[in-house]
Amino acid sequence: DQQVKQNSPSLSVQEGRISILNCDYTNSMFDYFLWYKKYPAEGPTFLISISSIKDKNEDGRFTVFLNKSAKHLSLHIVPSQPGDSAVYFCAAGDLYNFNKFYFGSGTKLNVKP
Amino acid sequence: GAGVSQTPSNKVTEKGKYVELRCDPISGHTALYWYRQSLGQGPEFLIYFQGTGAADDSGLPNDRFFAVRPEGSVSTLKIQRTERGDSAVYLCASSLTGGNSPLHFGNGTRLTVT
Repeated sequence: DQQVKQNSPSLSVQEGRISILNCDYTNSMFDYFLWYKKYPAEGPTFLISISSIKDKNEDGRFTVFLNKSAKHLSLHIVPSQPGDSAVYFCAAGDLYNFNKFYFGSGTKLNVKP
Repeated sequence: GAGVSQTPSNKVTEKGKYVELRCDPISGHTALYWYRQSLGQGPEFLIYFQGTGAADDSGLPNDRFFAVRPEGSVSTLKIQRTERGDSAVYLCASSLTGGNSPLHFGNGTRLTVT
């Protein structure tokens, strides 16, 4: 039973436009959320995180939004660049067990020049 | 500085054989994790070490899987009597303290069991 879901396996966006990647979770105990970016043949790279006490966290072109009541988070990339083309994973940590993160199945973003 | 290093990058083995996968974490990171990623899926938790001890091994699928971290640095994931279903990318990650500090992943070991 997948506790973190990314329902869009792929997304294609024009360079300069906004990319919005979505993630849903089912476990109300999740308290900490992260986004990772992965290029082929490399391990995932940490991008940005958010704690459940916030509803927004921003880092440069990347912003993560958290809607706890809907159990939904999203990653916004503005403006999108061709180098952003990668697979993006969202992950969630349990309030009492941050050491076990649950990952979604990923969304492959393609930013077209 | 150096990131998380995993060796080998690729391993092909026959069904029933024993394999060892090695992880060298970022220096000074006390927490070390093993995850497994199957095709089309996200990473799946296997085991977490804090220092030398396995603090949480609830993700190990069965007793054919075992991991050690004897000196609190390098870790080895050991798989006995490999099965074709064990084929996956095995990812190691470390973090400074564990808890909610971000994981830093290695490039993984792609294991293929024929």
